[in-house]
Amino acid sequence: AQSVSQHNHHVILSEAASLELGCNYSYGGTVNLFWYVQYPGQHLQLLLKYFSGDPLVKGIKGFEAEFIKSKFSFNLRKPSVQWSDTAEYFCAVSPMNRDDKIIFGKGTRLHILP
Amino acid sequence: GAGVSQSPSNKVTEKGKDVELRCDPISGHTALYWYRQSLGQGLEFLIYFQGNSAPDKSGLPSDRFSAERTGGSVSTLTIQRTQQEDSAVYLCASSSGVLTYEQYFGPGTRLTVT
Repeated sequence: AQSVSQHNHHVILSEAASLELGCNYSYGGTVNLFWYVQYPGQHLQLLLKYFSGDPLVKGIKGFEAEFIKSKFSFNLRKPSVQWSDTAEYFCAVSPMNRDDKIIFGKGTRLHILP
Repeated sequence: GAGVSQSPSNKVTEKGKDVELRCDPISGHTALYWYRQSLGQGLEFLIYFQGNSAPDKSGLPSDRFSAERTGGSVSTLTIQRTQQEDSAVYLCASSSGVLTYEQYFGPGTRLTVT
C-alpha cells in the first residue's frame, strides 16, 4: 500500500534561514508527487507537483522540490524563508495517471520567527 | 461557483446524533474527494467519487460513515450515531481529473461531537 512519511512534524526557523522539509514515499510503481500548503485560516492549496521530466520542480513563492527516485524522496526546499511562509505543509503521492489514490503525509508545521 | 464550498463551516453535535456535511465542487469537476483532518494526523482519505460513483470506499472508517453524490455535482457525507472520535475537520476537494490531477480544496467543516 502507498504511504507517505514526513519526517519533521514541527519546524521553527528564523527569517532568511534555508528550509528543507523531508518527504519519503513507498510505492512500487511510477508516481505523481505533490506538495500542498495550508496558510493559517486558509484552504489547502497546491505548492508544486512532479509528473515527469526534470526532477527538480519549481513552485510558487520560491519553493522547489527534488524528486530522487532511488531514495523515494521528494524534499521541499526554499533558500531563504520569510515570515509569511508560516504554514502547514503536506506531501502527497499518487500512482501515475490515476486520480483516485492520492495519499497525504501527516504534515509539517513550519513556524518562521520574524 | 469560483471554488469548492462546504457547509456548514462549523457543526457541534451531541454524541449519538447523525450529521450531514455538504460539499459543492467546482463546476465541471468530475472527481470529488472527502478527507478528514485531525490534529497531528494529517489528511486521512475517506472516499473518492468519479461522477456519481464511488469505486473506492475503503477509506471510510466505519459503517457509520456514508457518502453520496448526485448529478455529478453536490456530495453529502453522513455520519450516523456520532462519536467523540469523529471530531475533526472534514475537507472536500475536487479535481478535473484530467492531466494535472490538481485538487482544489474547500474550507472544511469543523465537526465537534460533545
